[in-house]
Amino acid sequence: SQQGEEDPQALSIQEGENATMNCSYKTSINNLQWYRQNSGRGLVHLILIRSNEREKHSGRLRVTLDTSKKSSSLLITASRAADTASYFCATNTNAGKSTFGDGTTLTVKP
Amino acid sequence: NAGVMQNPRHLVRRRGQEARLRCSPMKGHSHVYWYRQLPEEGLKFMVYLQKENIIDESGMPKERFSAEFPKEGPSILRIQQVVRGDSAAYFCASSPATGQGNTIYFGEGSWLTVV
Repeated sequence: SQQGEEDPQALSIQEGENATMNCSYKTSINNLQWYRQNSGRGLVHLILIRSNEREKHSGRLRVTLDTSKKSSSLLITASRAADTASYFCATNTNAGKSTFGDGTTLTVKP
Repeated sequence: NAGVMQNPRHLVRRRGQEARLRCSPMKGHSHVYWYRQLPEEGLKFMVYLQKENIIDESGMPKERFSAEFPKEGPSILRIQQVVRGDSAAYFCASSPATGQGNTIYFGEGSWLTVV
């Protein structure tokens, strides 16, 4: 299996609800990052969490990291239609490159 | 401070032709990464380069694909004798250095269509 697998594959919610996406990985990491990608566009960096951190906040985003379970979650609170996008987690090791999962497609209905 | 610049944004090639994709990293960044994204999939690592050096090319197909990052000028991803399966979005990213805490920044991608 590849490093950085997100679930669910697809998530559909109403505006105002919270969205939670999960990411699991296989090997030890230096840090884990979450990105957003709108259709036909590049990736936008959302948040980085280091291996010695457990939780991080940025605006309406909350990321947790559990290195014992090799998993991370991204919570988007009070979702908006503009949050509709694909969300990817990426893990970084000493090798330097980032390894991505296949992403979670989030649809927020107005 | 301009971001990672990729061109062309869209490229159409006939089977057998060559495709050249260019990437200028962010100012001050000396590390460049190329990723490929097939429809409905995540990004797959292809190659990691520093100036004049290929650091990791474990994700590059053995044939037809090559990448360079010369001392001067942009990084180039070159695909020779393209086939329909090469149709994908190719993303370039850059970072100032590797290691913990270094975010990589992505360009807007180059969409290659092979007809």
